[in-house]
Amino acid sequence: DAKTTQPTSMDCAEGRAANLPCNHSTISGNEYVYWYRQIHSQGPQYIIHGLKNNETNEMASLIITEDRKSSTLILPHATLRDTAVYYCIVSGENYQLIWGAGTKLIIKP
Amino acid sequence: DTGVSQDPRHKITKRGQNVTFRCDPISEHNRLYWYRQTLGQGPEFLTYFQNEAQLEKSRLLSDRFSAERPKGSFSTLEIQRTEQGDSAMYLCASRRGGRGTEAFFGQGTRLTVV
Repeated sequence: DAKTTQPTSMDCAEGRAANLPCNHSTISGNEYVYWYRQIHSQGPQYIIHGLKNNETNEMASLIITEDRKSSTLILPHATLRDTAVYYCIVSGENYQLIWGAGTKLIIKP
Repeated sequence: DTGVSQDPRHKITKRGQNVTFRCDPISEHNRLYWYRQTLGQGPEFLTYFQNEAQLEKSRLLSDRFSAERPKGSFSTLEIQRTEQGDSAMYLCASRRGGRGTEAFFGQGTRLTVV
């Protein structure tokens, strides 16, 4: 399974777009990119996933580079409730995810 | 609420005691996963079921750990002779299919071994 690299922490002003980068340079052709977030003491919350096309849902957008070696999660209008640890994960068939330490995103008023 | 339920939410036990956790996945999901998470770290994979079959176990899953999923519905994770190092959050996730489907997590069971 591929591994991912994310910044340890990021700040973003409330109301602005939060852009969280992720490198996954060893991703293989059939591995999806998944994003989850975790608010303190809760279970991880699914955000979005994609294979090679950009994806958008009600929570976020996912931009995957053409070579698939990196991606960016975009929270379009960050609120204080978006403060959490965000995990970027690549997953093959069985979902034995290798989770890193994630990015701690702090939304500031 | 993701639809994945875990019970109990918190468990405090004395070292050496056995504990059992339960996970009820989303009903149409045939895949079920157990993870362990310690403070400041991402979740670590423990084991995976497809229906009632346990298809993979991490080397983290020592002989003191056992998991079952009878009839492919709920699952239990038992830890025998608990040690202080077992203190962690135990997370369950379920998924309806294979590659390209998302998994949904429960709220976890926080185990404290004293």
